[in-house]
Amino acid sequence: DAGVTQSPTHLIKTRGQQVTLRCSPKSGHDTVSWYQQALGQGPQFIFQYYEEEERQRGNFPDRFSGHQFPNYSSELNVNALLLGDSALYLCASSLDRPVSETQYFGPGTRLLVL
Amino acid sequence: RKEVEQDPGPFNVPEGATVAFNCTYSNSASQSFFWYRQDCRKEPKLLMSVYSSGNEDGRFTAQLNRASQYISLLIRDSKLSDSATYLCVVNRDDKIIFGKGTRLHILP
Repeated sequence: DAGVTQSPTHLIKTRGQQVTLRCSPKSGHDTVSWYQQALGQGPQFIFQYYEEEERQRGNFPDRFSGHQFPNYSSELNVNALLLGDSALYLCASSLDRPVSETQYFGPGTRLLVL
Repeated sequence: RKEVEQDPGPFNVPEGATVAFNCTYSNSASQSFFWYRQDCRKEPKLLMSVYSSGNEDGRFTAQLNRASQYISLLIRDSKLSDSATYLCVVNRDDKIIFGKGTRLHILP
């Protein structure tokens, strides 16, 4: 049973560029959430996708957008990259219900913006 | 004020000691609670869910006090392999909110 997978593992971009990160959820999971984790901080919730729609969103600007596909995989897009976007981007999958359902995290994508 | 606050750490404790982590949350509408563990340069992994009745898993005990909006994690007989960052996590309306984490170093 494959867990959550993410690609790429590492990425280097320059300011102003755009980036797309990918996530495949754990088998049987239908909900995908994305997080940004800066060095020394806890993960910050970006948004959550369920049934191909954004269901919840954290305090992130519109430069951060996403998509969920019919097979439940998901993409995170970040436009007009800033130096401050350098972080570990984590994808987590879960079942929609029950609400107490735990999340399983992928290994993350390390993004460095120069 | 952050919605989930944890002890700033780091905690440096000798092997075999008992360690207690504290966490408070500010939104009384929070519905479920967890402790995650994160090793250096790895993803967070669920350690245990937290229930009002308290729950225990081997050397680990978690407790939730809804009235005080307080969550705790106790590690007994700590091992070198317990060295990690411990993250307090709250689910509020399907938003998962992490604390900053408390780093634990177990000293041989």
